[in-house]
Formats: sequence, structure tokens, C-alpha cells
Amino acid sequence: GENVEQHPSTLSVQEGDSAVIKCTYSDSASNYFPWYKQELGKRPQLIIDIRSNVGEKKDQRIAVTLNKTAKHFSLHITETQPEDSAVYFCAASRDGGFKTIFGAGTRLFVKA
Amino acid sequence: GAVVSQHPSWVICKSGTSVKIECRSLDFQATTMFWYRQFPKQSLMLMATSNEGSKATYEQGVEKDKFLINHASLTLSTLTVTSAHPEDSSFYICSVDRADDYGYTFGSGTRLTVV
Repeated sequence: GENVEQHPSTLSVQEGDSAVIKCTYSDSASNYFPWYKQELGKRPQLIIDIRSNVGEKKDQRIAVTLNKTAKHFSLHITETQPEDSAVYFCAASRDGGFKTIFGAGTRLFVKA
Repeated sequence: GAVVSQHPSWVICKSGTSVKIECRSLDFQATTMFWYRQFPKQSLMLMATSNEGSKATYEQGVEKDKFLINHASLTLSTLTVTSAHPEDSSFYICSVDRADDYGYTFGSGTRLTVV
């Protein structure tokens, strides 16, 4: 079946450094790739997403890149801050109405 | 964006009892809702797709007779955990498929503890 692989499972960076999380998907028909941030005990919050018709999208300190040929997409967080510490999930899905497949999550620690 | 209300936010029940969790789409008519389960320190795992007016579609390994899903209207889907056992203790989250721009909005989640 479809799956999404996410790496690394844990990432520790110093405040101010950059963090990169990478995901690979298997369903070539996927065309929507959201990223969620989940703080302890809370619902996942959408932080950025990208559709298959673009290769890169940026929102302040967060950027996502997509390589459809390789079926890779990545989350880049620059100038990390302690409040960025959370679990981040990547996901892939097809057009609306089709299920979203999540990666296993990356636990990001930003050390002050 | 779409507003999704999920209740209860937490529940403790005795082993063998049933628990119903509600997921309401407050400002969007949702023909499709999704139910996820999340064990501690693990990813969200899709349990089933809830379709308004028809039977839910369950993922492999999810017992449909144990996790009853009812999507009777465009704004409400319910998940009933029947004959709950301690191993069913988990964080259950629903999400609404907005379809228009592929967006998905999550409910606040329900932490179920079976004792």
C-alpha cells in the first residue's frame, strides 16, 4: 500500500541553526503535501503545504521543497527557536476525498 | 478555514464499556471525514474513512465491529469504541476533508483511557 517515510526520527539543533526534515512517498498520484506541527497533547497544526505544480514554497522561516521525479519533499526551518521544538509530521495525499498518509514524525529539539 | 469540534476531549471508562466520540464540522458540509488513532510517541494512523450516508471504509487491521462509525449528516460523524479494553487507550482525532483546496482540518482530539 501507500506509505510515507520520514527522516530523521529525532533531530536536535542549537538555537539559530537550521533544521531539515525529509520525506519520501510511494504513491506517484499524490499531489498535495502538508506538514503538521504537533505539540505535546495537542492536535496537529498545519504549518505549510505544497502542491505538485510547484517545486518550492516559503513562509517566513519555513520552507518546503518538492521533487516529484524522486518523490521526495523536505521541510526546512531556518533560525530555529526553542518554541519550534515539537513533533513534525509530513503527509501525502491525492485530490480531495482521498486519505492522507502521514510520515512517522520527527521530534525536533531546539536547545537554547 | 473549516472549524471542527470534537467531543469529549478526554474520557476515562471502565473496561468492557462503550465510548462515543463526536466530530462536528461547524462551518463546512463534510461528505468525508477521517478518524485517526495515535499512540504515545507514534504517528497518526488512519483508522477509517467516514462517508456521509454510506458505510465507512476501514483500514486493514481495524475491526469495524469494534470501532463503529456513523456519518448520518454532513456535519457529524461519530466513532464508538465498543467493549473498550486498556489496549484501546489512545488519542483519537478526526479530520474533515475540505475537498475544495485539498485542505484537511483536525478536531482537537479525544484522549481515551480505559481502566
